[in-house]
Amino acid sequence: DAGITQSPRHKVTETGTPVTLRCHQTENHRYMYWYRQDPGHGLRLIHYSYGVKDTDKGEVSDGYSVSRSKTEDFLLTLESATSSQTSVYFCAISESIGARQGRNTEAFFGQGTRLTVV
Amino acid sequence: QKEVEQDPGPLSVPEGAIVSLNCTYSNSAFQYFMWYRQYSRKGPELLMYTYSSGNKEDGRFTAQVDKSSKYISLFIRDSQPSDSATYLCAMSEVSFNKFYFGSGTKLNVKP
Repeated sequence: DAGITQSPRHKVTETGTPVTLRCHQTENHRYMYWYRQDPGHGLRLIHYSYGVKDTDKGEVSDGYSVSRSKTEDFLLTLESATSSQTSVYFCAISESIGARQGRNTEAFFGQGTRLTVV
Repeated sequence: QKEVEQDPGPLSVPEGAIVSLNCTYSNSAFQYFMWYRQYSRKGPELLMYTYSSGNKEDGRFTAQVDKSSKYISLFIRDSQPSDSATYLCAMSEVSFNKFYFGSGTKLNVKP
């Protein structure tokens, strides 16, 4: 299994409170991603990072911010949690382009964080 | 219109059946095609990986890509109850590490 650890694995929080989820990798992969997974929507990209301090928005970035100060850590912050952000959050990693003989590479996922906003 | 479309199922088959899972897509720049398997309350795990068109076989699993039709398939032969999971297709372009996922098809293989 790829070395990806998400913390916490479960969290219940109140509406309006800030929440930070952590993703830690031991693979030294360049790219890191945060997805949320909801019934009927599949995996939707929130934010991704293509290097330390280099991040960009995904398709559902409103209400979320990210930071990557080290290669191994990618943090997702909900500034003021809302009930619509109740979801399962997955972190993923992938190698940089060309790292494997010019091929693109697949994404590897963590085990997920189940977040409930009440 | 979503970039990747996948029938959510659920799909229920008897043990030993051949299963066909499919996705369609709209972006002709997609070159890398992946299938992930996700068990309940677990993260997705990579099952198959294909570059461009053609077939790829791995044991009981075969992945097919038809770029002219923008259509990919995953076939599971001799399906087993342990294959019961949600299967997600994913795609990406060349030189761009960004992945687009289907919504997943839930498969139930009955003993």
